[in-house]
Amino acid sequence: DTEVTQTPKHLVMGMTNKKSLKCEQHMGHRAMYWYKQKAKKPPELMFVYSYEKLSINESVPSRFSPECPNSSLLNLHLHALQPEDSALYLCASSQNSGNTIYFGEGSWLTVV
Amino acid sequence: RKEVEQDPGPFNVPEGATVAFNCTYSNSASQSFFWYRQDCRKEPKLLMSVYSSGNEDGRFTAQLNRASQYISLLIRDSKLSDSATYLCVVNYNQAGTALIFGKGTTLSVSS
Repeated sequence: DTEVTQTPKHLVMGMTNKKSLKCEQHMGHRAMYWYKQKAKKPPELMFVYSYEKLSINESVPSRFSPECPNSSLLNLHLHALQPEDSALYLCASSQNSGNTIYFGEGSWLTVV
Repeated sequence: RKEVEQDPGPFNVPEGATVAFNCTYSNSASQSFFWYRQDCRKEPKLLMSVYSSGNEDGRFTAQLNRASQYISLLIRDSKLSDSATYLCVVNYNQAGTALIFGKGTTLSVSS
């Protein structure tokens, strides 16, 4: 079983809604990640936090807003999404950035 | 420019077959290499790290050729349970470092 926990597992939201995806790990890892994965495509990096600071933003639209409240938690705030944003959102963590990463089970997002 | 290129799939093999996957990467400064496995509608899971000297884990053997920027995965005596998508993963140095995934190679093992 994964030690990276994501909630909710499934989310359906309208284009005007504001929602958040949450991620938690208690492995003492100092790097946390958000990836987006569409069907039959590989995970695509969105954000990297290293020691609670945003270190990489892969030119993600501002309707996705990450937040790292502490070393164990990572949120992804969603606002005014488009149907094409529907995907599996994967949170991951690693001891330090660039090391082996461990994924949560993901949050399946559908934008209607 | 960061790129990880993998063999196009799918690979359809019978049980007991040996199958090899290849991967090339573009960033010569990359230092960490991995193979991940992803089952349908599941998260990717680490299969094995790849070391310069090559490494083996049971039926799985991974090789790295830094000069050619090439990584391989060999699966011997394929099992039905090996059916999955295999993702080649390389670290990429930017402001921080992060892992970049290849598009994956799908393996289907049949009885």
